[in-house]
Amino acid sequence: DVKVTQSSRYLVKRTGEKVFLECVQDMDHENMFWYRQDPGLGLRLIYFSYDVKMKEKGDIPEGYSVSREKKERFSLILESASTNQTSMYLCASSLYASRGTEAFFGQGTRLTVV
Amino acid sequence: ILNVEQSPQSLHVQEGDSTNFTCSFPSSNFYALHWYRWETAKSPEALFVMTLNGDEKKKGRISATLNTKEGYSYLYIKGSQPEDSATYLCAFIGTGNQFYFGTGTSLTVIP
Repeated sequence: DVKVTQSSRYLVKRTGEKVFLECVQDMDHENMFWYRQDPGLGLRLIYFSYDVKMKEKGDIPEGYSVSREKKERFSLILESASTNQTSMYLCASSLYASRGTEAFFGQGTRLTVV
Repeated sequence: ILNVEQSPQSLHVQEGDSTNFTCSFPSSNFYALHWYRWETAKSPEALFVMTLNGDEKKKGRISATLNTKEGYSYLYIKGSQPEDSATYLCAFIGTGNQFYFGTGTSLTVIP
């Protein structure tokens, strides 16, 4: 059974804290993605990685960074958490450059910054 | 920012009604179009992966069509059931391999 696992389901952090959201996939996928989901705005791409140590900015990278040291793990880092980063964060993975492939999603992390 | 639009934003139908949603996307640099179903408290799951203009896919009571030249896809649900209640997302995949999602259509089927 394919799996994308996010480290936490719910997280509460204080303003200014450095926050790490971890995502691990067991499908040997090259592509990994971080999205945030807000009401009325759908899934917005924060960062994307197509290989180890490779990353590309999505539509809303400000305030975030990412790390991909191993193929199976993609971390999202909030350098200094702010209240406007309160959201649902979804990680996904897919095969690279394969037309027939789909994205597989983690269960989501609901982050609240207070 | 690449624009993928879905309409309507939300929909309430009676059990047994048929319904359809629209996904609009750029007609250039097309690689694939996906439909996902996202049920409350679960992860989004793929319904269809469509790659060729004119593609038609079917899974039970749900079907989808694709027009890449004009940049739209339709999702149809025949005889809606309460278990069809979910948010339906489309995703445009361009030649850069990124997945761009629409804002989704929230479907509620009333028993």
